[in-house]
Amino acid sequence: NAGVTQTPKFQVLKTGQSMTLQCAQDMNHNSMYWYRQDPGMGLRLIYYSASEGTTDKGEVPNGYNVSRLNKREFSLRLESAAPSQTSVYFCASSRQGNNQPQHFGDGTRLSIL
Amino acid sequence: DAKTTQPPSMDCAEGRAANLPCNHSTISGNEYVYWYRQIHSQGPQYIIHGLKNNETNEMASLIITEDRKSSTLILPHATLRDTAVYYCIVRDQGAQKLVFGQGTRLTINP
Repeated sequence: NAGVTQTPKFQVLKTGQSMTLQCAQDMNHNSMYWYRQDPGMGLRLIYYSASEGTTDKGEVPNGYNVSRLNKREFSLRLESAAPSQTSVYFCASSRQGNNQPQHFGDGTRLSIL
Repeated sequence: DAKTTQPPSMDCAEGRAANLPCNHSTISGNEYVYWYRQIHSQGPQYIIHGLKNNETNEMASLIITEDRKSSTLILPHATLRDTAVYYCIVRDQGAQKLVFGQGTRLTINP
């Protein structure tokens, strides 16, 4: 079972470069999420998409944009990467509705020099 | 901020039951208790969740006290592969995000 697949797994960028992180799920989930995880900190929600065609900001959206391409895919874009965006990025998905658990991918490790 | 308190680390012998405590004394009636774990360099893995009744699945059991102010995750027969950071999360039923605290680093020893 693939579950949630994130690409790439690793990436190094220079400050100012742009990049899109890809996420796809094969569980027919309606809701999808992007989190970032920094050393010594918990995961923080960047953006989420409750259903196809909708996106909303999480707690740390600045510097990011998202696209819900279709039900399966939810991408995260950094338009002008900054060193502060060096992090591990996790995508998750869940069924729509209250109290549905989120299922995570294995992350993209992004370093910005 | 996380609404839960967990011990920073625990050890357990392989084959024994691992009992991971969590305090959530300010939990409200609409909030569920979720448990996730994160094995080094992997994404968080959902384990189990519950509201007020005890729950069991193929991975673990969740025991919630009657006043709902604390809970315990039980891994019945711990293996070396259960070594991970375990997160107890309280989540309002309408909330989109999961708030991960520092978790408990569980080490299973041979």
